[in-house]
Amino acid sequence: SQQGEEDPQALSIQEGENATMNCSYKTSINNLQWYRQNSGRGLVHLILIRSNEREKHSGRLRVTLDTSKKSSSLLITASRAADTASYFCATEEGSNYKLTFGKGTLLTVNP
Amino acid sequence: EAGVVQSPRYKIIEKKQPVAFWCNPISGHNTLYWYLQNLGQGPELLIRYENEEAVDDSQLPKDRFSAERLKGVDSTLKIQPAELGDSAVYLCASSPPGQGRFNEQFFGPGTRLTVL
Repeated sequence: SQQGEEDPQALSIQEGENATMNCSYKTSINNLQWYRQNSGRGLVHLILIRSNEREKHSGRLRVTLDTSKKSSSLLITASRAADTASYFCATEEGSNYKLTFGKGTLLTVNP
Repeated sequence: EAGVVQSPRYKIIEKKQPVAFWCNPISGHNTLYWYLQNLGQGPELLIRYENEEAVDDSQLPKDRFSAERLKGVDSTLKIQPAELGDSAVYLCASSPPGQGRFNEQFFGPGTRLTVL
């Protein structure tokens, strides 16, 4: 079963524009993580935000977390063609360190 | 630092045949995961090992799937017999000890299985 659900399913933008992806989940979490997957490098961890944090930055990435709405967003600023990939949110819940992934957002950045 | 290594990268077999996937985690990572990823979906956990112990195999279809991590390092995932619906990418991931509740996982490139 998949807890997280990303929105939109697909997003196409021009290079230099910002990309925003959203993730909604159903149960209480310990933390929420974003991963990127492309054919060249497989699945790569991008950023982790703890349940008691509201916003986190890493380079061109900005993640927000609203536990009252059970939602998170990932913002990629000044996108590049190399950002083309699928982006997944993953929630960790309970005491067993299990990560549950969503279905992903396919981002296409056009040069 | 070498990443998670998986082999083979691709495998094509006929249904009812057995198949095995191998994973070598990042050195020092005591936690190892096997995931199944269907096309257009996110990864779904099959089994998690802490050292050589399978601590979560609740999602592993035990009638045909098995896994082992005998020495707490490399791991093998086996399907016997394979069915058409097993066609998917099988991902291995590992994470280091001591992360507590913050579980960043490092993924291998995956094995793409096609069952004909």
